[in-house]
Amino acid sequence: NAGVTQTPKFQVLKTGQSMTLQCAQDMNHEYMSWYRQDPGMGLRLIHYSVGAGITDQGEVPNGYNVSRSTTEDFPLRLLSAAPSQTSVYFCASSSYGRLPGYTFGSGTRLTVV
Amino acid sequence: QKEVEQDPGPLSVPEGAIVSLNCTYSNSAFQYFMWYRQYSRKGPELLMYTYSSGNKEDGRFTAQVDKSSKYISLFIRDSQPSDSATYLCAMEDAGNNRKLIWGLGTSLAVNP
Repeated sequence: NAGVTQTPKFQVLKTGQSMTLQCAQDMNHEYMSWYRQDPGMGLRLIHYSVGAGITDQGEVPNGYNVSRSTTEDFPLRLLSAAPSQTSVYFCASSSYGRLPGYTFGSGTRLTVV
Repeated sequence: QKEVEQDPGPLSVPEGAIVSLNCTYSNSAFQYFMWYRQYSRKGPELLMYTYSSGNKEDGRFTAQVDKSSKYISLFIRDSQPSDSATYLCAMEDAGNNRKLIWGLGTSLAVNP
């Protein structure tokens, strides 16, 4: 059982470049979300989805887009990378019908230069 | 004021000590109270959760919720160097689509 898989694990981007962070889960979880984690700021919610075709903004959505075409996949797109987006990004998933709590991926360390 | 407050530490204790980690919160609608453990360069993993008030024990770990004081605690007995990690509290309003409100995390070092 793979759980939540994030790719890539590390990435360096130049300012202005775009890229997509991939997230896939094999647990048939309805809820998926993207967080960024920065020192002193904790985990901040970027976007989330409650099911295929449904997405919504979290507390720090600017500069990021998401889509949810399948239950399994929830990619995060950086439209035009900025140094302020240097962070560690985590994808997490959860199921409504079962126990509370999220399953997290192992993270993507992104540096924008 | 943040909805969830957690002292970031760092906290440093000798091996075998009892560790107490705490969070306070302001939203009385929170129903689920969770503790996550995050090792360096890894994703958070769910350690324990409690529904409403009361205690829950799992091995060396005990989670306590006091809804009247809006205060939750995680106790670690006989702490081990392998417990060295960041511990994050998180809370869920049962009617809010699984969205969690997070503490900043407390960094714990258990020294051999």
